Amino acid sequence: DVKVTQSSRYLVKRTGEKVFLECVQDMDHENMFWYRQDPGLGLRLIYFSYDVKMKEKGDIPEGYSVSREKKERFSLILESASTNQTSMYLCASDSPGGGETQYFGPGTRLLVL
Amino acid sequence: GENVEQHPSTLSVQEGDSAVIKCTYSDSASNYFPWYKQELGKRPQLIIDIRSNVGEKKDQRIAVTLNKTAKHFSLHITETQPEDSAVYFCAAYYNAGNMLTFGGGTRLMVKP
Repeated sequence: DVKVTQSSRYLVKRTGEKVFLECVQDMDHENMFWYRQDPGLGLRLIYFSYDVKMKEKGDIPEGYSVSREKKERFSLILESASTNQTSMYLCASDSPGGGETQYFGPGTRLLVL
Repeated sequence: GENVEQHPSTLSVQEGDSAVIKCTYSDSASNYFPWYKQELGKRPQLIIDIRSNVGEKKDQRIAVTLNKTAKHFSLHITETQPEDSAVYFCAAYYNAGNMLTFGGGTRLMVKP
């Protein structure tokens, strides 16, 4: 059974705090992704990674960074959280080459006060 | 890069009626078009996909059509049921960027 897990379902942080969101997949997928989901805006790609220690910017990378030290784990970092980063964050993974199913994690709903 | 537009943003139908959701994409090189269903409080899950060498694909009550010339693709759900109520996302695989670009989502409500 395919599994993508995220460290927290709900998170409340204060403005200026450093926030870590963790994602783990057990499918040996090379590709991992972080999306942000906001009403009416769909899923917007923040960062993705093709391999360990490799990262690429997506459509909205500003204010975020990522880390991929191990193949199964992809972390999203908010260096200094701001209220406009309040959102649902979804992690996903798939195999390389395109045209493959992306599997999503359950999401982390982050509230920045 | 790729741009995907999805319409309508909300759709309300009576149980048993059909529902159609349409998406357009901008990059003619895109070659893979999945549809995801996200039920309330759950993760998006793939329900059907189509590749650019095919014009239509069906899976029971769900079908997807692709018009490469016009650069649009549609999701058709027949004989809708209350459990079809969810947010549906279309996406296009953008070869050059090696990533999926999602549409804005459609909230489908099926009234019993």
